Amino acid sequence: EDKVVQSPLSLVVHEGDTVTLNCSYEVTNFRSLLWYKQEKKAPTFLFMLTSSGIEKKSGRLSSILDKKELFSILNITATQTGDSAIYLCAVGLYNFNKFYFGSGTKLNVKP
Amino acid sequence: EPEVTQTPSHQVTQMGQEVILRCVPISNHLYFYWYRQILGQKVEFLVSFYNNEISEKSEIFDDQFSVERPDGSNFTLKIRSTKLEDSAMYFCASSVTQETQYFGPGTRLLVL
Repeated sequence: EDKVVQSPLSLVVHEGDTVTLNCSYEVTNFRSLLWYKQEKKAPTFLFMLTSSGIEKKSGRLSSILDKKELFSILNITATQTGDSAIYLCAVGLYNFNKFYFGSGTKLNVKP
Repeated sequence: EPEVTQTPSHQVTQMGQEVILRCVPISNHLYFYWYRQILGQKVEFLVSFYNNEISEKSEIFDDQFSVERPDGSNFTLKIRSTKLEDSAMYFCASSVTQETQYFGPGTRLLVL
């Protein structure tokens, strides 16, 4: 069964738009949720979230976790063409050194 | 900035052959991982490794797979008898704690 579900699967926006990407999860022993950006090859780390309600921010990107409703969002403001990528969400578990990834959201930012 | 490296970048092999994928994690990292990503599909966890032993493995990681840290720097994934469905991108990752993982550039494996 799907443990980590991302939505939407794909998104096309224009430069300057703001986007919100969603990640919901259903796992036992939740420890952390991580966001990655995957361009051509390897995922690159964006954020790690462990506590509800605390926003993590890096430039135009921000993310927040809701452990009660079991989801996280990744916001990108003033999008640029360089933001075009697949955004991956992964969930890590306590007591188990393994991570479950979602299918990703493919973001295409048009000029 | 230190980074995870992987070799080879591409590997083509015949079905039934053994392949060894190599990774050099970031030097002060303690946790090591292998993932695979079949074209167009999600990243899938294969195995994690800590303190010179496997700490977790997925259902995918069956007897044809093995991992080793033969020396202080390399971390290898061996597939003993490759199958067509093993064709995928294989990523190595490492981390200081069990959290922020840094991924290598991947090895694209094609089994014919």
